[in-house]
Amino acid sequence: AQKVTQAQTEISVVEKEDVTLDCVYETRDTTYYLFWYKQPPSGELVFLIRRNSFDEQNEISGRYSWNFQKSTSSFNFTITASQVVDSAVYFCALSNQAGTALIFGKGTTLSVSS
Amino acid sequence: ETGVTQTPRHLVMGMTNKKSLKCEQHLGHNAMYWYKQSAKKPLELMFVYNFKEQTENNSVPSRFSPECPNSSHLFLHLHTLQPEDSALYLCASSQGLAETQYFGPGTRLLVL
Repeated sequence: AQKVTQAQTEISVVEKEDVTLDCVYETRDTTYYLFWYKQPPSGELVFLIRRNSFDEQNEISGRYSWNFQKSTSSFNFTITASQVVDSAVYFCALSNQAGTALIFGKGTTLSVSS
Repeated sequence: ETGVTQTPRHLVMGMTNKKSLKCEQHLGHNAMYWYKQSAKKPLELMFVYNFKEQTENNSVPSRFSPECPNSSHLFLHLHTLQPEDSALYLCASSQGLAETQYFGPGTRLLVL
């Protein structure tokens, strides 16, 4: 069975702090995809990144970076120099090669105060 | 309009009402999805359509009835709902089944 665990329910930081959101996944598939989505208070899920299981390179996009480690089944997300606009619920998700369903974690609520 | 749109954004209905949620994608995608997001549960997949054909029904009660007349439009018909069906209903689309899903803003449903 596939499963995504986001152990951090809520995180509060002050602006300019760095913050890492943890994601641990379980799957028996050799080919799978990992995602991060951001859900601001408006409700829409905003796609941030997709990574396939054969690409373990870390990725950086502006203040965002992702660390994919198959050895620990983790796909962690770091926001550098956090800003108030980063306040949202962040979801990690997993799909298999067939891609019919995204399995979501329960989400981590990030609150950034000024 | 661009991306994935959903109407209405908010809906209040009684348990005996019949209503429909609409989703439209302007991305030229072939697959569309309905998800339910309740307050205390992870996002749950409800239905998947690929090229207008339903490919997955995730054991959803029959009071929820999806319809996909074409690859750009997806409906969720609601009938005799229960208060526990109150949730945010999210629509998504993707180019193909294994591709990245892009979400609409959701319909926040309250069943009284």
